[in-house]
Amino acid sequence: AQKITQTQPGMFVQEKEAVTLDCTYDTSDPSYGLFWYKQPSSGEMIFLIYQGSYDQQNATEGRYSLNFQKARKSANLVISASQLGDSAMYFCAMRGRWSSNTGKLIFGQGTTLQVKP
Amino acid sequence: NAGVTQTPKFRVLKTGQSMTLLCAQDMNHEYMYWYRQDPGMGLRLIHYSVGEGTTAKGEVPDGYNVSRLKKQNFLLGLESAAPSQTSVYFCASSSLVEQFFGPGTRLTVL
Repeated sequence: AQKITQTQPGMFVQEKEAVTLDCTYDTSDPSYGLFWYKQPSSGEMIFLIYQGSYDQQNATEGRYSLNFQKARKSANLVISASQLGDSAMYFCAMRGRWSSNTGKLIFGQGTTLQVKP
Repeated sequence: NAGVTQTPKFRVLKTGQSMTLLCAQDMNHEYMYWYRQDPGMGLRLIHYSVGEGTTAKGEVPDGYNVSRLKKQNFLLGLESAAPSQTSVYFCASSSLVEQFFGPGTRLTVL
């Protein structure tokens, strides 16, 4: 069975500092993908970053980077230079091997990030 | 290019009433999904579709039915609403990499 665990229900960070949101996963699929989504208070799900299990480099998208440690089964999200607009709920999600999982995502419980001015 | 749209955005039902949530996507994606999000939890998959005319059960399918008569539309039905179905419902469609979400429907069952 596949599982995503986010152990930090809530986090605080000072504006302009970096913050790491933790995500660990469990899967027996040899090929899988890891995602991070942002959900602001308005409720929409915003795609942030994707990491494939066979990707050699850690994914980066602007101020977001994914610290992928395959042996530890962790896929932490790093936000650099935090901004007030980063205050939101963040979800880690996993998709197993495409052919067997048809693109379904398994979500963690989320981490609420609050950025302090 | 509207992406994924959902109708309605809000709805209040009484126990036992029925309703249909409509999801539409204009990205020509084969795969579509319905999730629900309850307070303090991540999204859980209700049903999904891998193409026009196909549907399959997800993690929490009980009390829901779906149909995919047209590739661009994915309907979620509640035949007899229960208070436990009070939730926010998200539709999504998927390319090979990214899953695109609609804005959500907030449903309250009294």
